[in-house]
Amino acid sequence: GDSVTQMEGPVTLSEEAFLTINCTYTATGYPSLFWYVQYPGEGLQLLLKATKADDKGSNKGFEATYRKETTSFHLEKGSVQVSDSAVYFCALSGASGNTGKLIFGQGTTLQVKP
Amino acid sequence: EAGVAQSPRYKIIEKRQSVAFWCNPISGHATLYWYQQILGQGPKLLIQFQNNGVVDDSQLPKDRFSAERLKGVDSTLKIQPAKLEDSAVYLCASSLSAGVGTDTQYFGPGTRLTVL
Repeated sequence: GDSVTQMEGPVTLSEEAFLTINCTYTATGYPSLFWYVQYPGEGLQLLLKATKADDKGSNKGFEATYRKETTSFHLEKGSVQVSDSAVYFCALSGASGNTGKLIFGQGTTLQVKP
Repeated sequence: EAGVAQSPRYKIIEKRQSVAFWCNPISGHATLYWYQQILGQGPKLLIQFQNNGVVDDSQLPKDRFSAERLKGVDSTLKIQPAKLEDSAVYLCASSLSAGVGTDTQYFGPGTRLTVL
């Protein structure tokens, strides 16, 4: 079945460091790909998305490019801040037979130290 | 625009008791989802409604879980009887369109259930 795999956490970085969180997926058809973020004490919120191959989603300095050839959607940010500390979830939707539900990875915890 | 509302925010019960969660989606959203998020894992879909019909309940443990969406708006998720492994955060989400994979889902704050 469809699945999403994220890199293990936690990831600990110093402020202004470069961030990469790896995400790969397995799906039939042409899914849409998403990054959701969960800040401490808050609900899940959409960070960015891409709906077709080679699309780049971006928001708040974060970017991710939909790579069909490598089935990947890695999240990057050039310079992280303490306020970026959160749990990040990669997800897919809309693969063949999918009714719109999100299939999530296990989440990656990011801790940014001043 | 008001977001997805859920209540209660926290609930502690003993095993074999029953519990109910309530969700009010964003106004006008056709699709409503209930997800279960066990500590350290990503959310997993329990049930999906389109208006007031069930689209996907393949992962819902139907011997103990039930859900309904009244008049295509509010929804209630019930567990009866609860087991220890039901301890999790229950998330409600809604999206504007009917089961479109490109649609953004908006999540409520969740209900944290602890079963003792």
